[in-house]
Amino acid sequence: QVQLVQSGAEVKKPGASVKISCKASGYTFIFYAIHWVRQAPGQRLEWMGWINAGNGDTKYSQMFQGRVTITKDTSATTAYMELSSLRSEDSAVYYCARADLRDSGSYSWFDPWGQGTQVTVSS
Amino acid sequence: DIVMTQSPDSLAVSLGEGATINCKSGQSVLHSSNNKNYLAWYQQKPGQPPKLLIYWASTRESGVPDRFSGSGSGTDFTLTISSLQAEDVAVYYCQQYFITPLTFGGGTEVEIK
Repeated sequence: QVQLVQSGAEVKKPGASVKISCKASGYTFIFYAIHWVRQAPGQRLEWMGWINAGNGDTKYSQMFQGRVTITKDTSATTAYMELSSLRSEDSAVYYCARADLRDSGSYSWFDPWGQGTQVTVSS
Repeated sequence: DIVMTQSPDSLAVSLGEGATINCKSGQSVLHSSNNKNYLAWYQQKPGQPPKLLIYWASTRESGVPDRFSGSGSGTDFTLTISSLQAEDVAVYYCQQYFITPLTFGGGTEVEIK
């Protein structure tokens, strides 16, 4: 079955970086996109960016521009999200999610989602 | 950015009764090229990731019980649970995928009365 499995929980100090992996299985990796969404306590779901798993094109939310980098390893059918210059407000559960690839500038719903990775930023 | 506003924030419904959740987008998410509304609904239970229920505003995802239905167009959308079951206790989110940044509503918590 289609599945996204994320790496485990992380505890980081302010100013550090975190890199989360998202291992895809059960489908042809390069035919879809992977998006990253985070959910902080008491906050709404927040979209961070996405990668075209076929050609590697990326697009990031302005909210995270300059701090987030999304990459992929096609041979490992894995996507990665790295967030730098961490601050306490970045403490959240981070999700990856699969989406259809559509024509440029057009997007799709998310299905399925990874199980989530808790990132805690604390001194 | 397209702001998605859900109402109510929470609602308590008796088992077997209906529940209605509203979602309003700050601008239309109806694409003129294909006449489709770029709007999805998700269900999230505690400790779990969101699960897709509805896409294109009214198309039920495979495997989703038919008591869940979506309606609306343009800027105003509704998720209806026709007969609430115990397993439907969750937080429900709408999302627009019309334009980046892709944005979500604040969520509606559904509980049993």
